[in-house]
Amino acid sequence: KNEVEQSPQNLTAQEGEFITINCSYSVGISALHWLQQHPGGGIVSLFMLSSGKKKHGRLIATINIQEKHSSLHITASHPRDSAVYICAVTGRNTDKLIFGTGTRLQVFP
Amino acid sequence: ETGVTQSPTHLIKTRGQQVTLRCSSQSGHNTVSWYQQALGQGPQFIFQYYREEENGRGNFPPRFSGLQFPNYSSELNVNALELDDSALYLCASSLSIGATEAFFGQGTRLTVV
Repeated sequence: KNEVEQSPQNLTAQEGEFITINCSYSVGISALHWLQQHPGGGIVSLFMLSSGKKKHGRLIATINIQEKHSSLHITASHPRDSAVYICAVTGRNTDKLIFGTGTRLQVFP
Repeated sequence: ETGVTQSPTHLIKTRGQQVTLRCSSQSGHNTVSWYQQALGQGPQFIFQYYREEENGRGNFPPRFSGLQFPNYSSELNVNALELDDSALYLCASSLSIGATEAFFGQGTRLTVV
């Protein structure tokens, strides 16, 4: 079992739909990251969370430390949101990132 | 724009050859981590360098080695390439050990034939 699990693995949506991607982890963490990876491969950091909720534009990320669960929400989705969204955690006793396998999102016009 | 650049962007090598991948970190970032991302998988930690010394290693054989230089650049070297080494290699820099925010490069896509 992976230390970081994401669901769903693949997601398709119509433009304008509300999207939720989930992440569960089994290790103690100091921070959780939501990352976006476009087809070219480059990774962009969207959020870094250690508690509560963060919002940036149409993106919202929440984390529940007790339940070891985080969600990434996209409101009013747009085709340019199509990408792979990756959840990663920084363990308490290490600096390395442990990644989930990603959620491939496709938003159609 | 993360301020982290990797070169080359794409590379094709033959099995058994050696390869060097390069990463230029943001100025002042003295910690760099390298990750291997196989197709359809999440990135896997290879190793981390802090102030030019290796500071942690994942489950990768010794033929994966690295160097970090005082000018915030670093290298990942892979000897005796195998077909399974085909992957996207990502470097991520951060301000210091324990800094939880990392900045990623665009990656180098290595194909071993």
